[in-house]
Amino acid sequence: QITLKESGPTLVKPTQTLTLTCTFSGFSLSTRGVGVGWIRQPPGEALEWLALIYWDDVKRYSPSLKSRVTITKDTSKNQVVLTVTNMDPVDTATYYCGHKTYYGVDVWGQGTTVTVSS
Amino acid sequence: DIQMTQSPSSLSASVGDRVTITCRASQGIRNDLGWYQQTPGKAPKRLIYAASTLQSGAPLRFSGSGSGTEFTLTISSLQPEDFATYYCLQHNSYPLTFGGGTKVEIK
Repeated sequence: QITLKESGPTLVKPTQTLTLTCTFSGFSLSTRGVGVGWIRQPPGEALEWLALIYWDDVKRYSPSLKSRVTITKDTSKNQVVLTVTNMDPVDTATYYCGHKTYYGVDVWGQGTTVTVSS
Repeated sequence: DIQMTQSPSSLSASVGDRVTITCRASQGIRNDLGWYQQTPGKAPKRLIYAASTLQSGAPLRFSGSGSGTEFTLTISSLQPEDFATYYCLQHNSYPLTFGGGTKVEIK
């Protein structure tokens, strides 16, 4: 059974850097074709894709956030880390990580809510 | 970027109704599309992948069709637990893009 869980701060100040960790089980990020991605959802708004990292360390980013977002993996710990620099109140959202295969993203974590406020 | 235009943005329906939601891609994406259901405060849950394949565990009343640029999610007989927001997601090319969502409400 594939499970993912996001963790990190619930409150960050404007201009700070957000670091979120996705800890997963039920699959290996060293398996060919597998990836872990991040999306977010501002309150009352639609889903937005942010970044993806694959088993071979290929990384993909949303163009709108590419200059601020970094995704890394620690295969031995079954973790993927997302960092977002220069946080702004518009970055207030629930952040989800998900398991990706050739057939898309099949499972998302429960999400973690991040508020940006001074 | 591939734009996913989802319609309608909301609809009101009754239990037992047949409901259809559409996603249109700004360029061809083969069948690289999934449909997700999201209830308030919960993570999205995939119902359909590869445009028309039912996710294991998803109810049989959900079906998907389409290829290329036009895709449809159909709920054959709406049940109380189906009142939620539905999203399509294309993974044919980067950036991955979601439709804007369809909120299905009780009439």
